[in-house]
Amino acid sequence: KAGVTQTPRYLIKTRGQQVTLSCSPISGHRSVSWYQQTPGQGLQFLFEYFSETQRNKGNFPGRFSGRQFSNSRSEMNVSTLELGDSALYLCASSPVVGAPTGELFFGEGSRLTVL
Amino acid sequence: GDSVTQMEGPVTLSEEAFLTINCTYTATGYPSLFWYVQYPGEGLQLLLKATKADDKGSNKGFEATYRKETTSFHLEKGSVQVSDSAVYFCALRPYNNNDMRFGAGTRLTVKP
Repeated sequence: KAGVTQTPRYLIKTRGQQVTLSCSPISGHRSVSWYQQTPGQGLQFLFEYFSETQRNKGNFPGRFSGRQFSNSRSEMNVSTLELGDSALYLCASSPVVGAPTGELFFGEGSRLTVL
Repeated sequence: GDSVTQMEGPVTLSEEAFLTINCTYTATGYPSLFWYVQYPGEGLQLLLKATKADDKGSNKGFEATYRKETTSFHLEKGSVQVSDSAVYFCALRPYNNNDMRFGAGTRLTVKP
């Protein structure tokens, strides 16, 4: 079974640009979550999508947005990039919300560098 | 809100030493608890989990017990190997919610 696939793995942008990151969850998983990982703030929850609906949102500005498609694939977008947006963005999938097993399955991440 | 406090380290051990990484949590309701591991340049991999009080999660020689009375989920391994060198994250998932709360991570280096 293929794991969570994130593209691109690495990208470099300049301040003010926008970026779109993609995530394909494990087949059959309907919940997709996004996390930002930085050395200073650690792992922070961005948002979660389930059945194309945003179910939960973390404490990030409106420049961070996401969506989920009918095939459960998800994208996140960051507009008007700032230097502080440089981070590893991790996508995670799970079969259903609140399943008893509860673990999230993570992709390898997209490393964004903002210059 | 629900949160996790984790011993930050870094931790440096010699091969075959005993490992303990402390993790305590604050939560309402009945969260599930996890340990994830991250190797350089990779995403997070689930190491072990426990979904209710007194459950013991175990994998690859690592163990952690969900202690409700002390709100703890400490990670232990009796004999570490060089290949265990990685960053370890304690995490909590609130009931019926996939908003996982992570600790700050503990970098473990095992020397031969």
